[in-house]
Amino acid sequence: EPEVTQTPSHQVTQMGQEVILRCVPISNHLYFYWYRQILGQKVEFLVSFYNNEISEKSEIFDDQFSVERPDGSNFTLKIRSTKLEDSAMYFCASGAGGTRDTQYFGPGTRLTVL
Amino acid sequence: AQSVSQHNHHVILSEAASLELGCNYSYGGTVNLFWYVQYPGQHLQLLLKYFSGDPLVKGIKGFEAEFIKSKFSFNLRKPSVQWSDTAEYFCAVNALQGSQGNLIFGKGTKLSVKP
Repeated sequence: EPEVTQTPSHQVTQMGQEVILRCVPISNHLYFYWYRQILGQKVEFLVSFYNNEISEKSEIFDDQFSVERPDGSNFTLKIRSTKLEDSAMYFCASGAGGTRDTQYFGPGTRLTVL
Repeated sequence: AQSVSQHNHHVILSEAASLELGCNYSYGGTVNLFWYVQYPGQHLQLLLKYFSGDPLVKGIKGFEAEFIKSKFSFNLRKPSVQWSDTAEYFCAVNALQGSQGNLIFGKGTKLSVKP
């Protein structure tokens, strides 16, 4: 069964550094999402992406964040200058049909900002 | 703003006990409803979903959930839990109007099943 994959599984970085989290969505999916979960808190929506542009973003997704689909397979989340409070598990998800379909989640990348 | 409430933070049951996990949402419009499960060390997996039709939906591993529109609820049930059901369970909704499908999650309920 196809799966969403994410790399790396764990990323440790210094405050102020840029990080890029990578995701490979399921190949025939058209809708892509990033979520994050700070330890002990809810899974929170960050951004959705469709047709090569952001379709929706949350308040969390400020100018420090960006997403890109650089080729036909990868979907990346970049944090330009990490802060301590960016430490969280970041989940990528993909779906075939937007609101009318299920989202399939990757295993997550644990980001630790020191 | 939409929100999802899961009333139980941690539930501890013995094997063969019945399970019901509560989920309520706040949104006046039409929603899709989901339960995801996260087994220890694994990623979020879809357990079941409700889009329309029969409000009693059946999912994998013997789980079911009932959508009660008047109560804004989507409680998860299983008549007899197993040790392998130990996991964290997340209720989620997405609004059909004004949304591209982003999910709003509850805080999750950790289920521990004692053998």
